[in-house]
Amino acid sequence: DSGVTQTPKHLITATGQRVTLRCSPRSGDLSVYWYQQSLDQGLQFLIQYYNGEERAKGNILERFSAQQFPDLHSELNLSSLELGDSALYFCASSPPTGARTEAFFGQGTRLTVV
Amino acid sequence: SQQGEEDPQALSIQEGENATMNCSYKTSINNLQWYRQNSGRGLVHLILIRSNEREKHSGRLRVTLDTSKKSSSLLITASRAADTASYFCATGNAGNMLTFGGGTRLMVKP
Repeated sequence: DSGVTQTPKHLITATGQRVTLRCSPRSGDLSVYWYQQSLDQGLQFLIQYYNGEERAKGNILERFSAQQFPDLHSELNLSSLELGDSALYFCASSPPTGARTEAFFGQGTRLTVV
Repeated sequence: SQQGEEDPQALSIQEGENATMNCSYKTSINNLQWYRQNSGRGLVHLILIRSNEREKHSGRLRVTLDTSKKSSSLLITASRAADTASYFCATGNAGNMLTFGGGTRLMVKP
């Protein structure tokens, strides 16, 4: 168990809908990262938050947004969903050290858009 | 686009044999990490090697890094059926954002 909790584990929704994925980082970790894993694109970095502030942005679509709350949990909002958004969405967290370090991944949310 | 490319994409070996996976990347890095993923589940960190290191060991794992060739290799010695998984290299840079390769699917036959 990595200590990172993601909910829900599975989500099935229709095209055009909006969903929210939730992530609770490990205790003490200030950084939260979101990744998308799909068959055609592989593992792609979406966005990073550090202590409530957006720190880095990757290949995140405009239809997607995220935030990190004062209690450090994070939510990834996906709207106007398309079939191609079906993927595994991972959240990861890392310790608040100055040195570059490993990331701890949650078990992911499997999103299926039908 | 992905920073790293892994080779081979798939590898099948017998239990007890060694498995070697290679990773190449494109830009300068702070560190390179290897992760393991069991079918459709979360990624588990295996080992991190910093850009000023050339080799690192952890149990049955040995990682090398050649920054002049922008490449790394992961060696799993005396493989077990339980090592069956996908293995990803990831390069870390500013902000600790990870850029992943396409992964190597390893199957270890008992």
